[in-house]
Amino acid sequence: EVQLVESGGGLVQPGGSLKLSCAASGFTFSGSAMHWVRQASGKGLEWVGRIRSKANSYATAYAASVKGRFTISRDDSKNTAYLQMNSLKTEDTAVYYCTRPGGSSGWEHWGQGTLVTVSS
Amino acid sequence: EIVLTQSQGTLSLSPGERATLSCRASQSVSSNYLAWYQQKPGQAPRLVVYGASSRATGIPDRFSGSGSGTDFTLTINRLEPEDLAVYYCQQYGTSPTFGRGTRVEIK
Repeated sequence: EVQLVESGGGLVQPGGSLKLSCAASGFTFSGSAMHWVRQASGKGLEWVGRIRSKANSYATAYAASVKGRFTISRDDSKNTAYLQMNSLKTEDTAVYYCTRPGGSSGWEHWGQGTLVTVSS
Repeated sequence: EIVLTQSQGTLSLSPGERATLSCRASQSVSSNYLAWYQQKPGQAPRLVVYGASSRATGIPDRFSGSGSGTDFTLTINRLEPEDLAVYYCQQYGTSPTFGRGTRVEIK
């Protein structure tokens, strides 16, 4: 059974940093890309970014709204993906989900999400 | 960036009725990489349809997807109370994007 478990959320002041983790199990993590998606309270889903596998050079891509501030990385030995968030803004307040894409088959597997609150 | 427009903010229907949700893309969605997700309050999104028309694992056959290019539809036949949710379309190409969602309310 595929499981994705996010952690690391919490309260941070504007301008601060936070690092989220996504622990994966039930599939070959090293061969899979991983994405991050966020959702502000009462709002829709927003793609944050993704990291590809080693076979695809760990290539990353980001939404314009976070480019230059957020960094996605992974540790295949720990089956974990990370989202490093710097220079946080109040508008970054959201539930952050990690998700595993299924190639042409959509994104079937999602974590339960972790809440990040940026506030003074 | 491909912008997805879900023009119906809320659909309010009775049990047993048919819901027809639309999603229009600002440019053609490559390889029909178009998915629909169901999200209930406090839960993560759940994949309903991928590849524009393929049902995901465990999704009842009351749900069906159709369309290609820039116009896509999710149809829910014989609405049940458990179908109360927000439904998002997504294109999962190179730079994924989501529509703003359509809320399905059960009268």
